[in-house]
Amino acid sequence: KAGVTQTPRYLIKTRGQQVTLSCSPISGHRSVSWYQQTPGQGLQFLFEYFSETQRNKGNFPGRFSGRQFSNSRSEMNVSTLELGDSALYLCASSLGAGVNTEAFFGQGTRLTVV
Amino acid sequence: AQTVTQSQPEMSVQEAETVTLSCTYDTSESDYYLFWYKQPPSRQMILVIRQEAYKQQNATENRFSVNFQKAAKSFSLKISDSQLGDAAMYFCAYRSYKIGNQFYFGTGTSLTVIP
Repeated sequence: KAGVTQTPRYLIKTRGQQVTLSCSPISGHRSVSWYQQTPGQGLQFLFEYFSETQRNKGNFPGRFSGRQFSNSRSEMNVSTLELGDSALYLCASSLGAGVNTEAFFGQGTRLTVV
Repeated sequence: AQTVTQSQPEMSVQEAETVTLSCTYDTSESDYYLFWYKQPPSRQMILVIRQEAYKQQNATENRFSVNFQKAAKSFSLKISDSQLGDAAMYFCAYRSYKIGNQFYFGTGTSLTVIP
């Protein structure tokens, strides 16, 4: 069974540009969450999607957005990139939306903004 | 927001020895879940063990066990018979229904295993 797949693995962008990251959850999983990991702020929750609906959103500016498709694949978009957006972006998928369901993480996308 | 604190940025252990990683958290809820995740250099977060707050019995998974002290809001991870493959960042995390489905993570403990 394939795990959570995040693409691309590495990305270098210029300040002011926009970027789209992709996450393909484990087959059958309907919940996808996104986290930003930085040395300074640690792991912070971005948003959660379940069956194409955003269920929860973290405390990030509107430049960060996401969506989920009917096949449960999810994308997150960051517009007008800032140097501080450089981070590892992790995606997690779960079978359901409950806190008792196990979350499986991908290997992340390393975004560098120059 | 919930607070999860890991006060040990770095720990080291000799191979085959036992090490304990500390975690405390702040919550006013009675029903929640606690987790330990491992993040090796590959960056993928791997679930090590989880504990449901309403269960008094400490969770155990092979060489990994926890000491869950609900009243003290403490959740430590004990790794027995440490192996080289245990070297990684370890994150303590909190999750509950009332605050949505997201994890609140601690800042992590970097574990080094010395051969």
